[in-house]
Amino acid sequence: DTGVSQDPRHKITKRGQNVTFRCDPISEHNRLYWYRQTLGQGPEFLTYFQNEAQLEKSRLLSDRFSAERPKGSFSTLEIQRTEQGDSAMYLCASSQLAGVGGDTQYFGPGTRLTVL
Amino acid sequence: LAKTTQPISMDSYEGQEVNITCSHNNIATNDYITWYQQFPSQGPRFIIQGYKTKVTNEVASLFIPADRKSSTLSLPRVSLSDTAVYYCLGPRYTNAGKSTFGDGTTLTVKP
Repeated sequence: DTGVSQDPRHKITKRGQNVTFRCDPISEHNRLYWYRQTLGQGPEFLTYFQNEAQLEKSRLLSDRFSAERPKGSFSTLEIQRTEQGDSAMYLCASSQLAGVGGDTQYFGPGTRLTVL
Repeated sequence: LAKTTQPISMDSYEGQEVNITCSHNNIATNDYITWYQQFPSQGPRFIIQGYKTKVTNEVASLFIPADRKSSTLSLPRVSLSDTAVYYCLGPRYTNAGKSTFGDGTTLTVKP
């Protein structure tokens, strides 16, 4: 399978704990995105990388959130001191920025976070 | 922030053609228009992308008028398995990668 993969698929944690999610993009893709999606809403942009550089962060991304893409391949999203409001599906997407054409993003299956 | 507008929900019957329209008044010159399909507990799946006029692939057609302020996703002969949420991906800031999803259109296909 050469699609975007995310790990874990489900995470249950207690309020105040730290959690880390991993995303493995499609291998030749240079852009990687993180989104958050709550029930009944569309995905909300959190941040994106072009290669290893984090180029944009949403205002939604508080200081408790940090994302890395150390070698321009996989990425991690860490949430520190989780709160119940962090409960959501966290989606990762990747794309290959080309000279022409739109930025077509391919999504992973998501990580469902539940904060108790 | 640039935003798209879609109908919240639509109903259809098996075998019918379904057209979902999205408004994106703030689209920039270099923006493409992309549509995604999402089933419960799954990530969005790319359906089709276009810049102007008409694009067709094996699952859908995309119609974009000359002013590009709207687009229409056309699904021919829908089946029960097409029941899903459909998102029109909004314009992004020029030179940035931020992509804005709206709340999507929930399509329910009935037998």
